[in-house]
Parts: sequence; C-alpha cells; structure tokens
Amino acid sequence: GENVEQHPSTLSVQEGDSAVIKCTYSDSASNYFPWYKQELGKRPQLIIDIRSNVGEKKDQRIAVTLNKTAKHFSLHITETQPEDSAVYFCAEFAGAGSYQLTFGKGTKLSVIP
Amino acid sequence: NAGVMQNPRHLVRRRGQEARLRCSPMKGHSHVYWYRQLPEEGLKFMVYLQKENIIDESGMPKERFSAEFPKEGPSILRIQQVVRGDSAAYFCASSTFSGEQYFGPGTRLTVT
Repeated sequence: GENVEQHPSTLSVQEGDSAVIKCTYSDSASNYFPWYKQELGKRPQLIIDIRSNVGEKKDQRIAVTLNKTAKHFSLHITETQPEDSAVYFCAEFAGAGSYQLTFGKGTKLSVIP
Repeated sequence: NAGVMQNPRHLVRRRGQEARLRCSPMKGHSHVYWYRQLPEEGLKFMVYLQKENIIDESGMPKERFSAEFPKEGPSILRIQQVVRGDSAAYFCASSTFSGEQYFGPGTRLTVT
C-alpha cells in the first residue's frame, strides 16, 4: 500500500443515528481492507474486513462497502450506541510482495446519548 | 487467553538507555508485525518477521532499531540509545500467512 486517506477526522452523531467513515487508497494492487476500532488506551480491534472480490459485507450493525474502480471503501454503523464511541482506523493491504497494513489517520467517533 | 501478548505494558527509559519490547503471537500464528503509534495518530508499519527471518523492515529507522523473532521465544523489538522522539505506543500484531492481523495490547514507551 502507498497512501490511505480517511475522512472525517472527527464525527459526532446522536445515539440511534448512522455513522459513515470513508477511505480512499492509491495502490491498485490492494486486495484486503480491514477496519479497526481503538478505544482510549487499548489495542486496535478488528471489527470487519473486506476482500477485493466482494463489494459489500455486513455484520449486524456494521457494514463495509468497496468500490475498486474508484478506489474507496466505507464503514457504515447503523443504530449507533454510546459504546461505539472510539477511534476507527481503515487500512489496506496489497498482498504479495507487501506485508504491511497501511493505516488511515483515524476517525474519532462520538455517539451522544 | 490465546491472544497476542506484549510486555511490558508500560516502559520508562531515560535518554540513552536501551528499550526491549516483547511480543508473543497468537497460538498458530507464525507472522509478526510491529507498528508504532504516536499520540492521536494512526499506526505506522515498522517491520514484518517470521521465525528467524526479517521479511520486510522498510518501516524501521536505519539506526538504533532492530527486531528479531527467534526460533524459541517471543519477538523482540530493541531500541538502543533512546531519545524523546521514541516515546510512543508500540503494537505487535500476528497473523497466519496473508491473514487477518490481530493486535496485542501494546507497550507504551516513555523516554524521560
């Protein structure tokens, strides 16, 4: 991976509303896109991921969409709850020949009760 | 608990001292990655290792930093002659080949 841009850097939503975080990448060889949630002082936790042969993946209130043509992918959280408040990082992995995850700068999500 | 283990969780070193950070991967994982996280920033890749081999160290500073993953025991990230700019959280992750990376709890290094 070369570069990952993540927007917005901060996001505040009312409890129950949806939150959307977007990332763009530049390496056309990228084939794996995980999302991590990091609470203050804790480890990044893998919450959902998507591979390049799939356009969308859903797990309960969390979904990820991938547009390979436009080189962007998004995290969607529905029915947000206060415990969703954390910093969310997108990442991309280019696979063969490159073993590192390249992370976005993070989005601080605040869910207001 | 078969998760990724790191120790120590917190490490304080004076400038010029050495820091040794340890990482034990998840059971069944043979791939270890080290990342550095500065306050309020994302994670930056440092090095990728398999047992007894450094596969990719493109993110590692050229001087003072080294990493190993011996046949027996944990992976070690070593920082010699630490400076204040080395203060950060250092996370280790492990995976199967090309698999999902799972992170340890991190070591928070403070250089005084």
